[in-house]
Amino acid sequence: EVQLLESGGGLEQPGGSLRLSCAASGFTFSTYAMDWVRQAPGKGLEWVSAISRVGKTYYADSVKGRFTISRDNSKNTLYLHMSSLRADDTALYFCAKDEYGSGFDSWGQGTLVTVSS
Amino acid sequence: SFVLTQPPSVSVAPGKTASITCGGNNVGSTSVHWYQQKPGQAPKLVMYYDSDRPAGIPERLSGSNSGNTATLTISTVEAGDEADYYCQVWDSSSDHWVFGGGTKLTVL
Repeated sequence: EVQLLESGGGLEQPGGSLRLSCAASGFTFSTYAMDWVRQAPGKGLEWVSAISRVGKTYYADSVKGRFTISRDNSKNTLYLHMSSLRADDTALYFCAKDEYGSGFDSWGQGTLVTVSS
Repeated sequence: SFVLTQPPSVSVAPGKTASITCGGNNVGSTSVHWYQQKPGQAPKLVMYYDSDRPAGIPERLSGSNSGNTATLTISTVEAGDEADYYCQVWDSSSDHWVFGGGTKLTVL
């Protein structure tokens, strides 16, 4: 069974940094692209970032230059390093398994990031 | 970047058919994926490549995509279908995934 478990969320001040992690199990992590998707309170889904099997990275315009996605295939873990945080980064952050471009077939339960002074 | 437009809400009586649209410039030339999200839960993939159902998704759900509109159709709607539904495409011009704004399906 595929499992994705996010962690690392919390309360951070504007301008601060956080690192999110997503521990994966139940599939061959190294052979799949992975993504981060966020959802602000009461709002819709917003794609944040993706990383291919070989480490090519992609970012939404809203986070480019501030967020960095990475993966450690030896630890089956996906990361999102978030810096220069802003109030509008407040959201529930999901990691998702990217099924070779045919959509995100597995999701974690999310980790909440709150940016506030 | 690519924009996907969904109606904010759709209402349907139990047993009837609900159609949720996803509009975008020539969206029919790309593949559309659909997600269902119930309150307090993570999204769930319910349709991929326009009209393919993942394992466990009932045949009551179907999809189509042509021209400027993709559609998720739910026939014989049940109370358990009440949820938010999102469409998604890969925008190859920007190398971005794009989600529609979401549609809240209410079962009357």
